Amino acid sequence: RKEVEQDPGPFNVPEGATVAFNCTYSNSASQSFFWYRQDCRKEPKLLMSVYSSGNEDGRFTAQLNRASQYISLLIRDSKLSDSATYLCVMNNAGNMLTFGGGTRLMVKP
Amino acid sequence: DADVTQTPRNRITKTGKRIMLECSQTKGHDRMYWYRQDPGLGLQLIYYSFDVKDINKGEISDGYSVSRQAQAKFSLSLESAIPNQTALYFCATSDLRWTSHEQYFGPGTRLTVT
Repeated sequence: RKEVEQDPGPFNVPEGATVAFNCTYSNSASQSFFWYRQDCRKEPKLLMSVYSSGNEDGRFTAQLNRASQYISLLIRDSKLSDSATYLCVMNNAGNMLTFGGGTRLMVKP
Repeated sequence: DADVTQTPRNRITKTGKRIMLECSQTKGHDRMYWYRQDPGLGLQLIYYSFDVKDINKGEISDGYSVSRQAQAKFSLSLESAIPNQTALYFCATSDLRWTSHEQYFGPGTRLTVT
C-alpha cells in the first residue's frame, strides 16, 4: 500500500464550482502535512500547510483528520488558473517529504 | 534569477552512457535533494544531503550516484543509463531552521534514455 494515496482524477469542473480532494495516508506517525501545486511540466510549489485545526487561505481550505488519517483540500469559486495537479505531501521525520501521486484538476470555462 | 537552477533542462542520451545532472542554489540552504517523477506517480526520493559531508540514499538510489561539491551544488549521475531511467528529475532544497519544512524545487530536467 502506498504511504500517501490520492485519486488521480482528472476532476473536470466549471468555473465558479467548488471542488474537494481527499488524500489518505498510512503512517499514523506522520507529523506535518502539505498541499503542493504542480503545473504541467513545471516544478511543484507549496500551496499551503495543513494544520489539525484546519486552515484557510482565500478560496482554499485545508483540513486534517488524524483519526481517519486523511487530509482534504477544498477550492471554492474555481478559476481557470486553478487547473493543475495537486500533490498531497507529508513529513514523517526531519525534513523528509513523501509525495502522493497527485490529483489533476481541470477547470473549464 | 531563479533560486534553484538545474542543467541541462532537457537531455536525450543512449543506453549505457554516463550522464550528470547538475543543481545549483542561491538560497543558502544546507539541505538538498534529488527526486524523479514518472507520469502519474509522485516524486520519489533518489538521494539527499543535509550538508557537504552528509550524503544519504533515498528510496530509489540504485543506478544513481551523487556528489555534493559545495553547499550550493549537488549533482546526480547515472553511471550507465537505461531506458527505465527516462523521467523528469527535480532538485530541491530546504532549510530546517524554518518549521514549515517547505522544499524549493528547481525547474526540472527531462531525461530520455533511448
